[in-house]
Amino acid sequence: KQEVTQIPAALSVPEGENLVLNCSFTDSAIYNLQWFRQDPGKGLTSLLLIQSSQREQTSGRLNASLDKSSGRSTLYIAASQPGDSATYLCAVQGAQKLVFGQGTRLTINP
Amino acid sequence: GAVVSQHPSRVICKSGTSVKIECRSLDFQATTMFWYRQFPKKSLMLMATSNEGSKATYEQGVEKDKFLINHASLTLSTLTVTSAHPEDSSFYICSAREDSYGYTFGSGTRLTVV
Repeated sequence: KQEVTQIPAALSVPEGENLVLNCSFTDSAIYNLQWFRQDPGKGLTSLLLIQSSQREQTSGRLNASLDKSSGRSTLYIAASQPGDSATYLCAVQGAQKLVFGQGTRLTINP
Repeated sequence: GAVVSQHPSRVICKSGTSVKIECRSLDFQATTMFWYRQFPKKSLMLMATSNEGSKATYEQGVEKDKFLINHASLTLSTLTVTSAHPEDSSFYICSAREDSYGYTFGSGTRLTVV
């Protein structure tokens, strides 16, 4: 059974800092990994999708890496802004369904 | 591309009544859609997989008769919470998968049963 773990559970940093969110998964037989953002009371917004054959994806200030063999992914956020405050979820797609981590609640302080 | 629209965003209903939530894929066809439930400060819990033209597949512990799913077209799935009770109050989110964009989620529905 696939298990996804995100560390840390919560993170608070001053504006402008670069930061890394971590995601690990137990079963390396995945099709892809996706990072989402969720604002309070809202749905999920897809940030980056990494196919199993890829090592990383970039979008603006966001960069996500994938090391399938070690079961790890990181989301790097450069030059953080208060608007980046949200919960970040990683999810892995296996043969059956999408499995989510518990999320990292990020707060960027002005 | 790959937009999923969910309606309503909020609904309050009386205990014992039924509530229908709609999930539409706006710019792509979705043979499969997914319904999740999210408790406060928790991650998403998959409730069921909705299959166009056939019966939904429910996760273990999810009551089929309580949560009715209909996926009558390639762009619309509905979740009906029947005979709702206060314990059904929650945040419900649908999603669909598109090959290029992965999973796309609706904006969610906050259900409050009073």
